[in-house]
Amino acid sequence: AQSVTQLGSHVSVSEGALVLLRCNYSSSVPPYLFWYVQYPNQGLQLLLKYTSAATLVKGINGFEAEFKKSETSFHLTKPSAHMRDAAEYFCAVSGNAGNMLTFGGGTRLMVKP
Amino acid sequence: DARVTQTPRHKVTEMGQEVTMRCQPILGHNTVFWYRQTMMQGLELLAYFRNRAPLDDSGMPKDRFSAEMPDATLATLKIQPSEPRDSAVYFCASGFEGLDSPLHFGNGTRLTVT
Repeated sequence: AQSVTQLGSHVSVSEGALVLLRCNYSSSVPPYLFWYVQYPNQGLQLLLKYTSAATLVKGINGFEAEFKKSETSFHLTKPSAHMRDAAEYFCAVSGNAGNMLTFGGGTRLMVKP
Repeated sequence: DARVTQTPRHKVTEMGQEVTMRCQPILGHNTVFWYRQTMMQGLELLAYFRNRAPLDDSGMPKDRFSAEMPDATLATLKIQPSEPRDSAVYFCASGFEGLDSPLHFGNGTRLTVT
């Protein structure tokens, strides 16, 4: 079985500050990990994915994530938050059943001016 | 830019009525998923199709929900009879088969059952 835990359902940062969204996974097979972003009244959009090619993965909108097997983590970071980054972020894992994704509970990012 | 199309975007219905949600996956994708999103439960997988065949619908209440793919360009999710607890946003997603293949999501159907 696979699972994902996102620590912190809400994260608030000031504009220009570092963004750190936490994701820990559990998987009995080598995992494939994804981060998605959801803006209000929209579906989920892919930010980035880890597929074992490199542990540091760069995505869209200046986000990146680092896969750490020893910590079973795949935290999402961005050096400088922008107002447009305010959204809900989901970490997800696949690997047991094709490209079926198991999602974490989501983290709502708020950016203060 | 290819996208997953879901209709309707919003649906308000009374308890006991039948609801049908439709999804047009991206052309060429051979996997289709239905997810339900609520505040309390987050994103839950309802059904999973590969090459139009249902592979996993264990997350779906069988007594009232049904999911089908009549052809490669259409997936449907039906609820009969609907109940207030079915109120949620229902997302369809499609992708290529493959562990590293990302899913592409539609904008969802927001269902309200009164």
